[in-house]
Amino acid sequence: DAGVTQSPTHLIKTRGQQVTLRCSPKSGHDTVSWYQQALGQGPQFIFQYYEEEERQRGNFPDRFSGHQFPNYSSELNVNALLLGDSALYLCASSLTGLMTDTQYFGPGTRLTVL
Amino acid sequence: QKEVEQNSGPLSVPEGAIASLNCTYSDRGSQSFFWYRQYSGKSPELIMSIYSNGDKEDGRFTAQLNKASQYVSLLIRDSQPSDSATYLCAVGGTGGFKTIFGAGTRLFVKA
Repeated sequence: DAGVTQSPTHLIKTRGQQVTLRCSPKSGHDTVSWYQQALGQGPQFIFQYYEEEERQRGNFPDRFSGHQFPNYSSELNVNALLLGDSALYLCASSLTGLMTDTQYFGPGTRLTVL
Repeated sequence: QKEVEQNSGPLSVPEGAIASLNCTYSDRGSQSFFWYRQYSGKSPELIMSIYSNGDKEDGRFTAQLNKASQYVSLLIRDSQPSDSATYLCAVGGTGGFKTIFGAGTRLFVKA
């Protein structure tokens, strides 16, 4: 049973560039959530995708956008990168339904903006 | 602003002792509660989920939930050095919308 996978593992970009991060959910899951985790902080919710639609969004600017594909995999796009975007980006998958909302995390993508 | 509060620690306990980790949350409508363990440089790993008031035990771990007090805790019995990590409390609304994480409590188990 494949768990949540993310790519790439590490990424180095410069200010102003754009980046795309990818996530494949755990087998049987249909919902993908993205989180940003800065050093020493808890994960901060960016947004959640279900049925190829953004279902809910945290307090992140429009520079952060996403997509979910018919196979439930998802992408996170960040435009006009800032130094403060350097963080661990985590993807979590779950199965939508009452009492089945447990989220399982992928290994994360470490983004460094120079 | 919905919040989840944890003592940042570090919490230091000797090997074999009970480690007690606490968490409070602000949203009375919260439906689901989770504890994750995160080793340095790694992603969070689910330890326990709890949905109803009371205790839930799984091996050396016991989660306790008190919705009236908006309080959730995690007890780790017979603590081992391998339990040394950051423990994240997470609180979700119905259907898992917008799960909010605390900043985590760092636990050190001394051999």
